[in-house]
Amino acid sequence: AQSVSQHNHHVILSEAASLELGCNYSYGGTVNLFWYVQYPGQHLQLLLKYFSGDPLVKGIKGFEAEFIKSKFSFNLRKPSVQWSDTAEYFCAVNAGDSWGKLQFGAGTQVVVTP
Amino acid sequence: DSGVTQTPKHLITATGQRVTLRCSPRSGDLSVYWYQQSLDQGLQFLIQYYNGEERAKGNILERFSAQQFPDLHSELNLSSLELGDSALYFCASSPTAGDFTDTQYFGPGTRLTVL
Repeated sequence: AQSVSQHNHHVILSEAASLELGCNYSYGGTVNLFWYVQYPGQHLQLLLKYFSGDPLVKGIKGFEAEFIKSKFSFNLRKPSVQWSDTAEYFCAVNAGDSWGKLQFGAGTQVVVTP
Repeated sequence: DSGVTQTPKHLITATGQRVTLRCSPRSGDLSVYWYQQSLDQGLQFLIQYYNGEERAKGNILERFSAQQFPDLHSELNLSSLELGDSALYFCASSPTAGDFTDTQYFGPGTRLTVL
């Protein structure tokens, strides 16, 4: 069965700092990869997604992610965070055995201090 | 706003009761997915419906059932509720049956509290 691991459960950083959130998955076949963000009290919003092609994917709000197939990783990055980036971030995967079923990581709570 | 709507926003009920959560997908989307988000289990896929038919099943309890109607809205029925069923229930929708390039868009969720 596929699984998704997010390396950090909580991250605290100051405004203007760089952010990198790790995500690893276990599935040997073709996968689609997603990062979703959940702002306090809100629903999940899609930040970016990778299906194929350029492994460096750019999303909304200045976020990007890099797919490294050999490492089964899909890390999320932002060069300079803002207070409004305080949220929970979820990595998700779906795979060839069940495209419709998204498998989520446990989430990383990011707190950006002014 | 993703275009996916869910009602009610909050639901408080007692153990043993039955509740129905409703979801309307984005215009044009044919698939509806249900997820449960709880502190101990995280975000878990429950079930998917595509154009009225069950398409995929995840960690859904036998006490829970869902259906998708001809107008494509979906309902998740939770019965014989237990304290542990307290969670945020999300609905998502996507254009297709869950094809390779499909993307799921999430609704605002229904927060269920079982007392």
